[in-house]
Amino acid sequence: DSGVTQTPKHLITATGQRVTLRCSPRSGDLSVYWYQQSLDQGLQFLIQYYNGEERAKGNILERFSAQQFPDLHSELNLSSLELGDSALYFCASSASRGQFTDTQYFGPGTRLTVL
Amino acid sequence: EDQVTQSPEALRLQEGESSSLNCSYTVSGLRGLFWYRQDPGKGPEFLFTLYSAGEEKEKERLKATLTKKESFLHITAPKPEDSATYLCAVQAGYGGSQGNLIFGKGTKLSVKP
Repeated sequence: DSGVTQTPKHLITATGQRVTLRCSPRSGDLSVYWYQQSLDQGLQFLIQYYNGEERAKGNILERFSAQQFPDLHSELNLSSLELGDSALYFCASSASRGQFTDTQYFGPGTRLTVL
Repeated sequence: EDQVTQSPEALRLQEGESSSLNCSYTVSGLRGLFWYRQDPGKGPEFLFTLYSAGEEKEKERLKATLTKKESFLHITAPKPEDSATYLCAVQAGYGGSQGNLIFGKGTKLSVKP
C-alpha cells in the first residue's frame, strides 16, 4: 500500500458526460501528479500540483482540468467525455516541489469506461 | 525529444532462469531514472531510483544498473510472483519535459513454475 488513495475505483459513464476523480496524497506529501494509462499509449503525464498551485502540465486536453485543495487532496475533472478517454487514471504524490528528484508513489487508480 | 524505449516488450522465463530487461533513454539532462513494477489493474509500485552512470541498486532478486544511455533490470532466479510489467521512467533536468516522469511502455514478464 503506497498510502495514496483514489476514488472511485471504477467509473462507467456515457459520451458527453462529466466526471470527477479524487486523490488523497500520502501524509506529508505536497505534490500531486495525474497520469493517464491507455493500452496503446502507456503512462502519460497530465498535470502536477504543488501545495495548491499548478506546477507543470503535460499532455492534458483542454476538456480536462484539475485542482488541489487546502487539505492537499486533488480532483481531476473530465468533461465532454469521448470513447477515447476510456483509460486508467492514476494519481501519484511526492514530497518534492518538482524541482528536485524525488520518488513518486502511485495510487491504485480509477478505471474510467466511456460508453 | 525526451523518450524512453524498453525491450523486450514481453519476456517469458522459467522459474530460476535469470535474465535482464533493458531501458534505453534520450533525455535532456537526466535527473533520475526510476523502475516500477505494475500488476494488472493496479498502480505502479516503486522499485528503484538511479541518479548517475555507474550506480547500482539491489532488492531481493532484482538489481538495477545505469549507464549514460541505458539501464538494465537484472532478475536473478525469478519466481512466479515476479510476473508483472516492469516500467522504466526518466526525469528530465531541463527542456519542455523538465521535472516530469517520462515512461517507457514496459516489459511484461511472465515466470512459469
